[in-house]
Amino acid sequence: DVKVTQSSRYLVKRTGEKVFLECVQDMDHENMFWYRQDPGLGLRLIYFSYDVKMKEKGDIPEGYSVSREKKERFSLILESASTNQTSMYLCASSTPRAEGYTFGSGTRLTVV
Amino acid sequence: GNSVTQMEGPVTLSEEAFLTINCTYTATGYPSLFWYVQYPGEGLQLLLKATKADDKGSNKGFEATYRKETTSFHLEKGSVQVSDSAVYFCALREALNFNKFYFGSGTKLNVKP
Repeated sequence: DVKVTQSSRYLVKRTGEKVFLECVQDMDHENMFWYRQDPGLGLRLIYFSYDVKMKEKGDIPEGYSVSREKKERFSLILESASTNQTSMYLCASSTPRAEGYTFGSGTRLTVV
Repeated sequence: GNSVTQMEGPVTLSEEAFLTINCTYTATGYPSLFWYVQYPGEGLQLLLKATKADDKGSNKGFEATYRKETTSFHLEKGSVQVSDSAVYFCALREALNFNKFYFGSGTKLNVKP
């Protein structure tokens, strides 16, 4: 009954590497989101997309980019990973007038 | 601007105790309000919601009432169980922008047998 799937639960990458975090949803949702979760800061929106090839910056887009080539897939890209990007990354999806998000299980990224 | 403030945790309770987790918000217009729960090692799950003033959301024994006069949406449960141990997030969705959610910082609940 999995609805939003994030490809990795745990990742360890080196500083300066290009990192791809993948998210796939099977609910035909228009909207997809990437958040990062840090202790004491809650969830902060990085980017979101409301349609294929459309994207909008969230509150903390610096150091990140996204790609949405197909409706079901939304990728988060760290162009050059840095240690301050060590975090839990959560993907979510929704319909335009949804009552709430459906979240994936998260990817815990460590940059060393 | 919009924001959500939750009580800091962790909150530690014994099984069958009464739970309150406070949540207040700042918003323009009439937002919708949500509680999400995150169990260890998992993503967030929608627990309950309320879309207008005086609405009460409820699920799995948890309740929260949308109080516009006090801009609050406190989460309550009459008798907690060990399985309720998790992190709870209060969130609001803007009235005019359904794409935009604002989350609180989360409150960790530990329930001891």
